[in-house]
Amino acid sequence: ILNVEQSPQSLHVQEGDSTNFTCSFPSSNFYALHWYRWETAKSPEALFVMTLNGDEKKKGRISATLNTKEGYSYLYIKGSQPEDSATYLCAPHNAGNNRKLIWGLGTSLAVNP
Amino acid sequence: EAGVTQSPTHLIKTRGQQATLRCSPISGHTSVYWYQQALGLGLQFLLWYDEGEERNRGNFPPRFSGRQFPNYSSELNVNALELEDSALYLCASSLAWNTGELFFGEGSRLTVL
Repeated sequence: ILNVEQSPQSLHVQEGDSTNFTCSFPSSNFYALHWYRWETAKSPEALFVMTLNGDEKKKGRISATLNTKEGYSYLYIKGSQPEDSATYLCAPHNAGNNRKLIWGLGTSLAVNP
Repeated sequence: EAGVTQSPTHLIKTRGQQATLRCSPISGHTSVYWYQQALGLGLQFLLWYDEGEERNRGNFPPRFSGRQFPNYSSELNVNALELEDSALYLCASSLAWNTGELFFGEGSRLTVL
């Protein structure tokens, strides 16, 4: 995997808004896609590990979908809260890549109360 | 249960010196990963250790090295420090290949003057 792109780079929303981000990655030889949430001054925290095309995962107000054939994943946050403010990182890795996750630069989300 | 712990939190060195960073994984996790996040860049994979062996390394020069001890804790050593080594160094641990989810420490901030 050479290039992982996340968009938008940053996002400012009001409390209660729903929002979504995109992670694009080369689809060849796909094995898994990780989503992490990284709050300032804390450690990155795993949200989802997705492996199957068409997979959809949900944790509370956060959900994610995966399209391995076209090489993208969407992360959705419903009814954003100030505590959702963080950088959201995606990291795919290929089969045989021996656990070398390739990280995007992240989407920085700020939720205004 | 204690999470991944890293030390020191901050470290200031001068060019040419050596730095040693330490990581204790979550109890029961056998795999330890090291990542570098330099300013403006995404997480860059450095090293993966499992069961005391180096399993994979990223595109970093040999002056970046490390080891994993019998208790699965790990050290990252950076020799002949250069200014561009200034970065946040994150350690992560995981339980098993199938899970894939990484558990991160809060990082060690290395500043090279």
